[in-house]
Amino acid sequence: ETGVTQSPTHLIKTRGQQVTLRCSSQSGHNTVSWYQQALGQGPQFIFQYYREEENGRGNFPPRFSGLQFPNYSSELNVNALELDDSALYLCASSGAEQGFTEQFFGPGTRLTVL
Amino acid sequence: KQEVTQIPAALSVPEGENLVLNCSFTDSAIYNLQWFRQDPGKGLTSLLLIQSSQREQTSGRLNASLDKSSGRSTLYIAASQPGDSATYLCAVWGTSGTYKYIFGTGTRLKVLA
Repeated sequence: ETGVTQSPTHLIKTRGQQVTLRCSSQSGHNTVSWYQQALGQGPQFIFQYYREEENGRGNFPPRFSGLQFPNYSSELNVNALELDDSALYLCASSGAEQGFTEQFFGPGTRLTVL
Repeated sequence: KQEVTQIPAALSVPEGENLVLNCSFTDSAIYNLQWFRQDPGKGLTSLLLIQSSQREQTSGRLNASLDKSSGRSTLYIAASQPGDSATYLCAVWGTSGTYKYIFGTGTRLKVLA
């Protein structure tokens, strides 16, 4: 069984640019959530995708958007990057086996905005 | 609105000590509570998951308890080792709204050799 994977590991961007982060969910999981973890803070929920549709969103502006594909992999897109977007971005997947009440996390993508 | 608080924010102890990390949450309507470990710059490692119907879970030197009615959980680490140095996060899974974790800000633990 393959766990949750994310790419790239690290990324450096300039303010105003756009970025795409990728996530492959654990085998058999059809729900993917994204979290942002700023330095010294706990992860904050960005949004969740279930069967290719957004299924809930946290307090993040529309320039944070996502996609989920038929194979349940997912992308997080951030437009017009700001310095405060520098953070660790975590992807988590869940499935029916856990009753959708437990998530399994990937290793994260560290984004630095200069 | 669910809020999760962890105390202390940081802790430094000599090797071999038993220690307790605290987590409190404001809404007792939860499905489960999970403790995670996070090494610097790394992702989350799940330590223990306690379902709302359970009182505690144990794994090796770790024991986590849950008192849902009072909105509290503790993570007990026995005979601490330098390798236990990390940030420990607790997260609750609510029963309403979007299925997601709400995290505390973590306790940064340093175990001195």
